[in-house]
Amino acid sequence: DTGVSQNPRHKITKRGQNVTFRCDPISEHNRLYWYRQTLGQGPEFLTYFQNEAQLEKSRLLSDRFSAERPKGSFSTLEIQRTEQGDSAMYLCASKRDTEAFFGQGTRLTVV
Amino acid sequence: GEDVEQSLFLSVREGDSSVINCTYTDSSSTYLYWYKQEPGAGLQLLTYIFSNMDMKQDQRLTVLLNKKDKHLSLRIADTQTGDSAIYFCAENYGGSQGNLIFGKGTKLSVKP
Repeated sequence: DTGVSQNPRHKITKRGQNVTFRCDPISEHNRLYWYRQTLGQGPEFLTYFQNEAQLEKSRLLSDRFSAERPKGSFSTLEIQRTEQGDSAMYLCASKRDTEAFFGQGTRLTVV
Repeated sequence: GEDVEQSLFLSVREGDSSVINCTYTDSSSTYLYWYKQEPGAGLQLLTYIFSNMDMKQDQRLTVLLNKKDKHLSLRIADTQTGDSAIYFCAENYGGSQGNLIFGKGTKLSVKP
């Protein structure tokens, strides 16, 4: 499968724990995006990489969130000291020209 | 700021046409997109239109763009029960380099 791959698909964690999600984009896609989607809402932009450079961060991305894309390939999104309000679907997308393709998402539940 | 608005629900009968509407605010958007999301899944790119076009057809899908009114629509011909899903309109904020701004989605229900 050559689509965008996200792992894990589901994550349940206790409040206060740290979690890390991984996204493997379509190869040769130089742009990678992270979005968050809560129930009944559309995806909201979190951050964007062009190759390994993080070029834009949303104000939604508090200092508990950090994202990396070492070597411009896969990306990780870490949330430290999780809160119940972090419960959401975290979506990754990759793009080369005009078309942005999304992964299946990681559903995070903070209990 | 940038905003994308969609009606929240649409119900049609199998075999009818569905029309999902969207309005956007960023006049510099170069591309506008339609995505489909089934329960528990990610977003599937259905189609997109460049801002200098007013229509694009792709099999059962027709996209109409009225740039003056910042209005975008998606028509699905011969709607099937498998088309039941949430449909998101998105604008490419800040031109082709920018991220996508999504509406809240339109839930399409197709009755047999």
